[in-house]
Amino acid sequence: AQRVTQPEKLLSVFKGAPVELKCNYSYSGSPELFWYVQYSRQRLQLLLRHISRESIKGFTADLNKGETSFHLKKPFAQEEDSAMYYCALRGSSYKLIFGSGTRLLVRP
Amino acid sequence: DAGVTQSPTHLIKTRGQQVTLRCSPKSGHDTVSWYQQALGQGPQFIFQYYEEEERQRGNFPDRFSGHQFPNYSSELNVNALLLGDSALYLCASSLWHLQGNIYGYTFGSGTRLTVV
Repeated sequence: AQRVTQPEKLLSVFKGAPVELKCNYSYSGSPELFWYVQYSRQRLQLLLRHISRESIKGFTADLNKGETSFHLKKPFAQEEDSAMYYCALRGSSYKLIFGSGTRLLVRP
Repeated sequence: DAGVTQSPTHLIKTRGQQVTLRCSPKSGHDTVSWYQQALGQGPQFIFQYYEEEERQRGNFPDRFSGHQFPNYSSELNVNALLLGDSALYLCASSLWHLQGNIYGYTFGSGTRLTVV
């Protein structure tokens, strides 16, 4: 079965603290993994994908096939990072399978 | 470019009624996918339309149906509404032949459906 699990519904950190949003997946083949972000009153938008190994807005995510994880990390959180974050998986059918999301709250 | 446009933004229906939600894809896009996002959950794939045909379907009952028009716009129809159908319905558009390009996948703001 294809599944994405985000174990934390809410993650609260202080500004400047490191952030790690957890994502675990279940997929029998070689999936594509993504992080989507939804800021308050805005549309769901792509943050980053595992293939490009990029850093967007200071966030990075590494695919760990052994642990079937794709955790999102940022060394120093900013207040503007407060948002809902969704981990998503895409298999051969191109449909996206989302996790239930983690709300990140960055306190001043 | 207005991106993906969905209407209406909010809707209240009574249990047992039928509802139609509409989506206009981003200019140049020819493929429309629909997702249901229940409160506190991530979006769940309902189905995808290309060339006016349903190409893929998620795990949703036949009460959920759709249509795509020659101008690529799409409708999502839900019959015999249940309280559990209350959710945010998202439309996403893309180009069929570039489905591998995740950057081309654009979401709308959604229609919030409340069933009472």
